[in-house]
Amino acid sequence: GAGVSQSPSNKVTEKGKDVELRCDPISGHTALYWYRQSLGQGLEFLIYFQGNSAPDKSGLPSDRFSAERTGGSVSTLTIQRTQQEDSAVYLCASSLYQVLMNTEAFFGQGTRLTVV
Amino acid sequence: DQQVKQNSPSLSVQEGRISILNCDYTNSMFDYFLWYKKYPAEGPTFLISISSIKDKNEDGRFTVFLNKSAKHLSLHIVPSQPGDSAVYFCAASASHAGNMLTFGGGTRLMVKP
Repeated sequence: GAGVSQSPSNKVTEKGKDVELRCDPISGHTALYWYRQSLGQGLEFLIYFQGNSAPDKSGLPSDRFSAERTGGSVSTLTIQRTQQEDSAVYLCASSLYQVLMNTEAFFGQGTRLTVV
Repeated sequence: DQQVKQNSPSLSVQEGRISILNCDYTNSMFDYFLWYKKYPAEGPTFLISISSIKDKNEDGRFTVFLNKSAKHLSLHIVPSQPGDSAVYFCAASASHAGNMLTFGGGTRLMVKP
């Protein structure tokens, strides 16, 4: 597609339920990133994919969080047993990764997750 | 430990004047720096970038300055317009580390008409 697409745009879930967030990156972009922005906070790195593999999972806040990417394209971020502190805007970005070259990342509009 | 810091959470400027947004970093491996702009309910959009081999990059009303020795960069907007009101995020990446972006906490710019 023309840009990074995220779905759903909004999600309200009950505490303890599992949620799945989806990201469709720009076609051809091999690098994909998940960030989240809590209310009044900056952008917190969660996980980075290069193709289907995740060389950096250091930002995942707990083992309730997991992510996968299939076919080098679509990625899903899953949060199990959601807690109220998981409420945030979850942002996905993609970039055209080139070895030892820098490129900007393009963001989707985000998924606003509210855990009640 | 925050590797990228924006120490001013907010900035208010009169229309037509210069806006200067600052950013400091600690990781000497960072070699690429970017500024993103974010409106409410939208994802961040790329604004301007600079490689560590340069000390200045200009694009229209936007100029980014890099001082490697001080590990400091700044974004200048001249002249500021009300439509520039947004949250500005500074970001940095290291080319050997997959270009993963590390963001600062953001600065909310308000340009008053």
